Amino acid sequence: SQTIHQWPATLVQPVGSPLSLECTVEGTSNPNLYWYRQAAGRGLQLLFYSVGIGQISSEVPQNLSASRPQDRQFILSSKKLLLSDSGFYLCAWSRKSYQGYGSYGYTFGSGTRLTVV
Amino acid sequence: GQQLNQSPQSMFIQEGEDVSMNCTSSSIFNTWLWYKQEPGEGPVLLIALYKAGELTSNGRLTAQFGITRKDSFLNISASIPSDVGIYFCAGQTNQAGTALIFGKGTTLSVSS
Repeated sequence: SQTIHQWPATLVQPVGSPLSLECTVEGTSNPNLYWYRQAAGRGLQLLFYSVGIGQISSEVPQNLSASRPQDRQFILSSKKLLLSDSGFYLCAWSRKSYQGYGSYGYTFGSGTRLTVV
Repeated sequence: GQQLNQSPQSMFIQEGEDVSMNCTSSSIFNTWLWYKQEPGEGPVLLIALYKAGELTSNGRLTAQFGITRKDSFLNISASIPSDVGIYFCAGQTNQAGTALIFGKGTTLSVSS
């Protein structure tokens, strides 16, 4: 069966410090991978998605970046955190859906609660 | 860009009551999905709908894919305290490589 691992679960970082959040998927190959951010009590904002190694699409311009160095590894990074980067970060994966076929849906990790102080 | 309008934003109900929430869009979707997120956790898929008019149940949950393919609803019957959480609708077109679009969520509170 497929599993998705996301760590750390919580993180408190000072403003201006770097960030690295990691997400890995097991039990599948060539998945689509996604990073979402959720502000307190709010909806899900898509930050990045990747359809393959080294292929990253950015949905929202910001001081965050993403990388996919391996097929089942997705990393969210920042060189200098801002207070506004605080939030709940979720990684997700999905099988690839093709034109004319329905989505398989996304499976989410358990999230990382980031507080920038 | 495409948007999903999910309502209501929040609901406060008594245990045992039925709940109904819905999502609408100006765009046509090929897939509608409903997720539940509990505090401090990632969303979990509840129901997936793939055909216009489709009605699908998962225990006390029932969801329907609207005939126009622009809306969907989720009903919860006889609510219990563990139903609390944020419920998200999500839709996807049939274009390859496009991401799911999520509604802003309905926060459900159940008092016993």
